[in-house]
Amino acid sequence: ETGVTQSPTHLIKTRGQQVTLRCSSQSGHNTVSWYQQALGQGPQFIFQYYREEENGRGNFPPRFSGLQFPNYSSELNVNALELDDSALYLCASRSGTLEETQYFGPGTRLLVL
Amino acid sequence: DQQVKQNSPSLSVQEGRISILNCDYTNSMFDYFLWYKKYPAEGPTFLISISSIKDKNEDGRFTVFLNKSAKHLSLHIVPSQPGDSAVYFCAAGRTGNQFYFGTGTSLTVIP
Repeated sequence: ETGVTQSPTHLIKTRGQQVTLRCSSQSGHNTVSWYQQALGQGPQFIFQYYREEENGRGNFPPRFSGLQFPNYSSELNVNALELDDSALYLCASRSGTLEETQYFGPGTRLLVL
Repeated sequence: DQQVKQNSPSLSVQEGRISILNCDYTNSMFDYFLWYKKYPAEGPTFLISISSIKDKNEDGRFTVFLNKSAKHLSLHIVPSQPGDSAVYFCAAGRTGNQFYFGTGTSLTVIP
């Protein structure tokens, strides 16, 4: 059984560009969540997908969007990158509703210059 | 506005002693609380949780205490081991809704 994987591990972009981050859920998990962890902060909830539909969103602007595919893998897209988007982006998947059943990936570190 | 706060960025403890990590929250509607542990270059992993109907939950060396009136929870690790050295995040929220994380406490257990 493989865990949650994310790609790429590191990424450098410039302000105004667009970025796509990818997440492969743990086998059997139909719910995926994305978090942004800025330096010195805790993870902040961006949104959650369940069976390919967004079913929860944190306080992030519409330029943060996502997709979940039939195999439950997921993408996070960020348009019009800003310097403050520099952060570690974490993906987490789970099969139930309990928070403790959520497994996190190692994250993608994004640097916006 | 930070709904969950961990006011101690770091903590050092001797091996074998007790580690106490603290967390405060502001929203009285929160009914579920979790602690996560994070090693460098890895995602957070779930450690222990507690619901608002309890004031204590124990799992081996780890115990979480909840004081609802003070909106405060703490994680006790006894005895502390060098492998416990990591960043610890508390998280709180309402079941079925968004959960909020604190800023983390970096624990160093000195052999």
